Amino acid sequence: GAVVSQHPSWVICKSGTSVKIECRSLDFQATTMFWYRQFPKQSLMLMATSNEGSKATYEQGVEKDKFLINHASLTLSTLTVTSAHPEDSSFYICSARVSGRNPDTQYFGPGTRLTVL
Amino acid sequence: AQSVTQLDSQVPVFEEAPVELRCNYSSSVSVYLFWYVQYPNQGLQLLLKYLSGSTLVKSINGFEAEFNKSQTSFHLRKPSVHISDTAEYFCAVTPYSSASKIIFGSGTRLSIRP
Repeated sequence: GAVVSQHPSWVICKSGTSVKIECRSLDFQATTMFWYRQFPKQSLMLMATSNEGSKATYEQGVEKDKFLINHASLTLSTLTVTSAHPEDSSFYICSARVSGRNPDTQYFGPGTRLTVL
Repeated sequence: AQSVTQLDSQVPVFEEAPVELRCNYSSSVSVYLFWYVQYPNQGLQLLLKYLSGSTLVKSINGFEAEFNKSQTSFHLRKPSVHISDTAEYFCAVTPYSSASKIIFGSGTRLSIRP
């Protein structure tokens, strides 16, 4: 099946620094990737939809200037958490969409755990 | 708007015992229903889905789920669990009108005791 990787798998940073998380589709091309955030004991919440070559679409309540998304190629999307603060500590998960089916099929990465000190 | 409720955050069971993971949803529009599984240190994988037709759907590893429209439920069951079934299970829905949008429940951690 389709494989999606994320790097790094975990990261610890100081408050005020920026952190970049990569999401790659390893054996297929993904015109659309999604970024989710999961707090402990809570649901995965969609943050934004990332389309290759265009600006990301953010969900209501997600600050686009804080969570910068770049989808420069059909196999790579990046999420940059700018000026991270402790409240940004969370589990970030990406997925890549295989279109042409109804409903679409999304393949998920293993997630990145971000801890901001 | 849609929401998904998984009341049990953790379910411990003994190996070879039956298990049921509960899922209820709320939606004003028709939805597709899914169960995803996340094994330790891995990404979410689709376990099974209900799109239409028979309300009982089955996975290749012995899980099954039944769509109950009147009770807005999609409970996941397995008659006999194995140690390898230890994982986090997420129930999810996708509205017909927005086939890329997935709304997840909070997950149920299934732990199998030998």
